[in-house]
Amino acid sequence: GAVVSQHPSRVICKSGTSVKIECRSLDFQATTMFWYRQFPKQSLMLMATSNEGSKATYEQGVEKDKFLINHASLTLSTLTVTSAHPEDSSFYICSAGPTSANEQFFGPGTRLTVL
Amino acid sequence: LAKTTQPISMDSYEGQEVNITCSHNNIATNDYITWYQQFPSQGPRFIIQGYKTKVTNEVASLFIPADRKSSTLSLPRVSLSDTAVYYCLVGDPTGNNRKLIWGLGTSLAVNP
Repeated sequence: GAVVSQHPSRVICKSGTSVKIECRSLDFQATTMFWYRQFPKQSLMLMATSNEGSKATYEQGVEKDKFLINHASLTLSTLTVTSAHPEDSSFYICSAGPTSANEQFFGPGTRLTVL
Repeated sequence: LAKTTQPISMDSYEGQEVNITCSHNNIATNDYITWYQQFPSQGPRFIIQGYKTKVTNEVASLFIPADRKSSTLSLPRVSLSDTAVYYCLVGDPTGNNRKLIWGLGTSLAVNP
């Protein structure tokens, strides 16, 4: 199956700093990528849909100025958590799917811990 | 988007067949049913997808009745490594907006 990578896999930062997470589709092109957040023992919550060449679409309740998404190419989307606070600590996961396939492929996730 | 309902948890033993049923009463005509597996601190992994009747691949089978208001994921002869959370999702994977709404999933524990 298709491969989606994320970097970094784990990051620890101080409160108030910004953190960038990269999501790459390694062997296919993705015009759309999805960003999720998952708290311990909970399900994945869709944050936003990243669209190549255009603005991201955010889900209700997700602050677009806090979670900046840039889909600069057909293989790369980035999520920047700006001015991170401890409550932003979570597991962030991206997904993408080839337009010719029905399934979504997920990255391995990024564990963010804000001190 | 259709809402799904699954059991919160299930227990099984190695070598047994496990069936996890998902209810999706409001499934739409264009919706497919997809199951994912997730291990702790990992991204979900696609297991199987279907639209109606029965679908089988190398790891699982998916049974979908004619009314499509439910589906059953069948895992043959589970092993300890099948201990994970299993998510049932419904949605249109072919549309321009292919986002999926995730429920709480079913936490499967396989015991020796």
